Amino acid sequence: GAGVSQTPSNKVTEKGKYVELRCDPISGHTALYWYRQSLGQGPEFLIYFQGTGAADDSGLPNDRFFAVRPEGSVSTLKIQRTERGDSAVYLCASSAEDRWGEQFFGPGTRLTVL
Amino acid sequence: KQEVTQIPAALSVPEGENLVLNCSFTDSAIYNLQWFRQDPGKGLTSLLLIQSSQREQTSGRLNASLDKSSGRSTLYIAASQPGDSATYLCAVLTQTGANNLFFGTGTRLTVIP
Repeated sequence: GAGVSQTPSNKVTEKGKYVELRCDPISGHTALYWYRQSLGQGPEFLIYFQGTGAADDSGLPNDRFFAVRPEGSVSTLKIQRTERGDSAVYLCASSAEDRWGEQFFGPGTRLTVL
Repeated sequence: KQEVTQIPAALSVPEGENLVLNCSFTDSAIYNLQWFRQDPGKGLTSLLLIQSSQREQTSGRLNASLDKSSGRSTLYIAASQPGDSATYLCAVLTQTGANNLFFGTGTRLTVIP
């Protein structure tokens, strides 16, 4: 079956602009996660959804970052007033309710803020 | 906060060698540990998942072990091939209420033909 998909694969934007990154999880997976990976580092947690609600957003670095999952499937990560330090690969993962401990990752969106 | 460390940061071996990658974590209260592979510019591919009650998992030429009490895991790759060249990441899921994975910084493996 289809895995986790993310669009766009690459996004280049200018400092101060608004961006949206999309994640389409594996069909039927109730949990969805966003991570951010800076160059040479491991991914770091941003936010976790269980169904439509954000169960844990403790990893969001500041209030410029926001994510939604209105119908419990597709999620959008929104970044306002982008800064050069936001440049990173944004990874999305999903997991099934009966195997919630195993996360499956998408290919990521590489965000570059000029 | 859980901290995950991977040693070495980079490793270069000739084709055919067996090798071991190391992962350590500070909080032994984990649900599971996963090993991932990441190719340059790509996402993460899950290789092996070890539940906290398990000691090891095997898949083909890969074997991962877990010693939860000492906070260590190893990934053993037998008869390495150039196609194994990638970055290997380990990640733990803790029991502290958080549902997110804590990742190490990875080991970048190069297998020389």
